[in-house]
Amino acid sequence: QAVVTQEPSLTVSPGGTVTLTCGSSTGAVTSGHYPYWFQQKPGQAPRTLVYDTKNKHSWTPARFSGFLLGGKAALTLSGAQPEDEADYYCLLFYTFNGGGVFGGGTKLTVL
Amino acid sequence: EVQMVESGGGLVQPGGSLKLSCATSGFIFSGSAILWVRQASGKGLEWVGHISTKAYTYATAYAAPVKGRFTISRDDSENTAYLQMNSLKTEDTAVYFCAGVGASSFWGRGTLVTVSS
Repeated sequence: QAVVTQEPSLTVSPGGTVTLTCGSSTGAVTSGHYPYWFQQKPGQAPRTLVYDTKNKHSWTPARFSGFLLGGKAALTLSGAQPEDEADYYCLLFYTFNGGGVFGGGTKLTVL
Repeated sequence: EVQMVESGGGLVQPGGSLKLSCATSGFIFSGSAILWVRQASGKGLEWVGHISTKAYTYATAYAAPVKGRFTISRDDSENTAYLQMNSLKTEDTAVYFCAGVGASSFWGRGTLVTVSS
């Protein structure tokens, strides 16, 4: 079973920029893992911010962007807002068993 | 407006069964794979499994902890997906979410499953 790793916590200043990463124990993350990024606020269901590495939904604020960086999937937030404080999860899919694995999540604080 | 509504959760004894439903509307259900994801209280998200579309022969995949006990199915005519859970264990206690994938990556609000004697 693959293990997907994320930073447990990060802090960003209002208006600042932060990058969250998502690594895989099996090696480099590629577009073939179809990386997803989800945002979850306390007491709410998750919502998808980015799918297939970099594609956004209509509700995804423009300040979020997904990409691959140094063998990992990454999510950059540029111009952090207080409402961006939340837990962020990545999800990777593995072709060897067709299954998905979530990262442990990153708790992002805007302070 | 897109809606994904999970139902069927509740309290069940260890070893029991439950069948969850994920009723959807507002998007092309038949064109999207459907994920089931769970979240134990205070914990992170856990992929449970997914079912693909007719184009991919409704292939399914399951996480190791539920393989052989859980079965995912779908009824495209009803725009509904299902999660049949058998031989439930206390560690299956969680909120269960369904979600679409890709451009249809919408989420429901979840349904709580509690496995306890």
